[in-house]
Amino acid sequence: GAVVSQHPSRVICKSGTSVKIECRSLDFQATTMFWYRQFPKKSLMLMATSNEGSKATYEQGVEKDKFLINHASLTLSTLTVTSAHPEDSSFYICSASTGGSGETQYFGPGTRLLVL
Amino acid sequence: DQQVKQNSPSLSVQEGRISILNCDYTNSMFDYFLWYKKYPAEGPTFLISISSIKDKNEDGRFTVFLNKSAKHLSLHIVPSQPGDSAVYFCAASVRYNQGGKLIFGQGTELSVKP
Repeated sequence: GAVVSQHPSRVICKSGTSVKIECRSLDFQATTMFWYRQFPKKSLMLMATSNEGSKATYEQGVEKDKFLINHASLTLSTLTVTSAHPEDSSFYICSASTGGSGETQYFGPGTRLLVL
Repeated sequence: DQQVKQNSPSLSVQEGRISILNCDYTNSMFDYFLWYKKYPAEGPTFLISISSIKDKNEDGRFTVFLNKSAKHLSLHIVPSQPGDSAVYFCAASVRYNQGGKLIFGQGTELSVKP
């Protein structure tokens, strides 16, 4: 149980294009999903918290208009990197939990984004 | 401001021996702690957690110890196996506040040698 999937697993795009990453909880309903970014040999950096049916809460320093998050259902959240630039190249990971707080987060396999 | 710290970037252990991974935190409000295992280019896998009302939690080969006065937790793996080789992250949260947000340490890369 507690399986989280991400799609795509890897994407290469040209600078200026937008990229959408999907995060799905496959066997449970996730009222809260989180989006992280990991740089090589670095820790996971929380970008935003996404609650179903409401606006995402962004961490300090994360641009809301750059990283659009939509949590349209209890099993799906999407992260759109708008007008991607090479510095947006990173490993993006989502996680999901069954509750807004106090619950273990289960992580997706991650999406490797490379912006040329 | 690194609220969760893993001061050892790497650890090498012989197969069959004990692996001890350490984690320190500064925020006394943290009341829930987790350990995750991560392979390159994959998402973290949940291993074990502990609430601040406990000082020990055990699950098979994995035991997590919490010392609240020292703001320190550790993960013990006994016996260590080559398949345990991965990066281990500790994470902490204020469980019923901040929406379950996890703060991660920098990770410790464990290498278990046959």
